[in-house]
Amino acid sequence: DGGITQSPKYLFRKEGQNVTLSCEQNLNHDAMYWYRQDPGQGLRLIYYSQIVNDFQKGDIAEGYSVSREKKESFPLTVTSAQKNPTAFYLCASSIRGRYSGANVLTFGAGSRLTVL
Amino acid sequence: EDKVVQSPLSLVVHEGDTVTLNCSYEVTNFRSLLWYKQEKKAPTFLFMLTSSGIEKKSGRLSSILDKKELFSILNITATQTGDSAIYLCAVEAFSGGGADGLTFGKGTHLIIQP
Repeated sequence: DGGITQSPKYLFRKEGQNVTLSCEQNLNHDAMYWYRQDPGQGLRLIYYSQIVNDFQKGDIAEGYSVSREKKESFPLTVTSAQKNPTAFYLCASSIRGRYSGANVLTFGAGSRLTVL
Repeated sequence: EDKVVQSPLSLVVHEGDTVTLNCSYEVTNFRSLLWYKQEKKAPTFLFMLTSSGIEKKSGRLSSILDKKELFSILNITATQTGDSAIYLCAVEAFSGGGADGLTFGKGTHLIIQP
């Protein structure tokens, strides 16, 4: 079945440690995204990538880094510079293009990061 | 900056009631408005609306867009406990090319009591 796989589902880390969240898709989608969800805050865009080896900052990119070496994979690193990293992280993908509906996102099941 | 405001932020009703969820937006170069349902983890797609006045319908759920007044509503009739979820509204804007992501509202947390 096609879809998006995020791992791990739950992650605990000590303050000051870098953490990498995995996101893999087999939908053959060009575009991939990382969102952060906090209670009462909705989804906020961290980074997105329209094509391999290219990515753009979203609204809250500070303290995060990404890479896009393969079409299927878009890992997110939460660095020690992120002031409040405890959150639910959602990865998504979509077909890239200018036609209507190109941005209908398909989401993974999420990774919940807790920093102790 | 693009902005999406949903109301109410939370709502508790009884099974069988009809609910209306609201979404207003301010966006440059509006392209489409999307509704998602998030039960536990991954949001799932419900509707995409691009034209004013055309109702989208799926079972007990329906949605309509007003591009003049810049809002959309999501209606759920004869609610069931399985409708309990967070309902997210998002807008898509035209950009120079490709996909730049969606701007989401804070969501409406709907609870259906038996």
